[in-house]
Amino acid sequence: DTAVSQTPKYLVTQMGNDKSIKCEQNLGHDTMYWYKQDSKKFLKIMFSYNNKELIINETVPNRFSPKSPDKAHLNLHINSLELGDSAVYFCASSQNLQGGQETQYFGPGTRLLVL
Amino acid sequence: AQTVTQSQPEMSVQEAETVTLSCTYDTSESDYYLFWYKQPPSRQMILVIRQEAYKQQNATENRFSVNFQKAAKSFSLKISDSQLGDAAMYFCAYRSINAGGTSYGKLTFGQGTILTVHP
Repeated sequence: DTAVSQTPKYLVTQMGNDKSIKCEQNLGHDTMYWYKQDSKKFLKIMFSYNNKELIINETVPNRFSPKSPDKAHLNLHINSLELGDSAVYFCASSQNLQGGQETQYFGPGTRLLVL
Repeated sequence: AQTVTQSQPEMSVQEAETVTLSCTYDTSESDYYLFWYKQPPSRQMILVIRQEAYKQQNATENRFSVNFQKAAKSFSLKISDSQLGDAAMYFCAYRSINAGGTSYGKLTFGQGTILTVHP
């Protein structure tokens, strides 16, 4: 069984379009995250949600809007896509934010290419 | 803010040999977690090993072990008996243990080290 899944795995789109990436975890975790991995492989946090509440918003353009319909899902919607948005986006989850439950498990990533 | 530095962009090792990947970090906190993640060409991020800063004993997972030097803020990963399947990019990561704040829970990653394993 896949613990953290993302759809789609690949996304090719034109500049200016709006797209969404979906993430689901079946681990029963309370906390979910979005990370961006750029072309140099550098990974950086974008958002985290705990029990559907936004905890971290790490200076991300407001074209990016996360949505958490329930604890098991954290989707990422991107408006007016730009060339610089091309990257791999990883979803992750952890049991919660408290000490001892801190290990984050990652999804397979979504490779986004903006043309 | 915490920073994580991996000073070795690339490393290579012969199969069955041992290799050590370096990681240093900067923090003013006394309690935190440190992790090593592996990213093979499939791009899946796989947890290799974790260390709680309050534990003096170095973490070990089969062929993987760490050398955690808290005073020096160093957290190196040793891979023993290297296998072809160990070839990947390895990331060192830091996580604060302190509750609250807008950064609570996030992983701060180093730049990564590409490990090549030669047969």
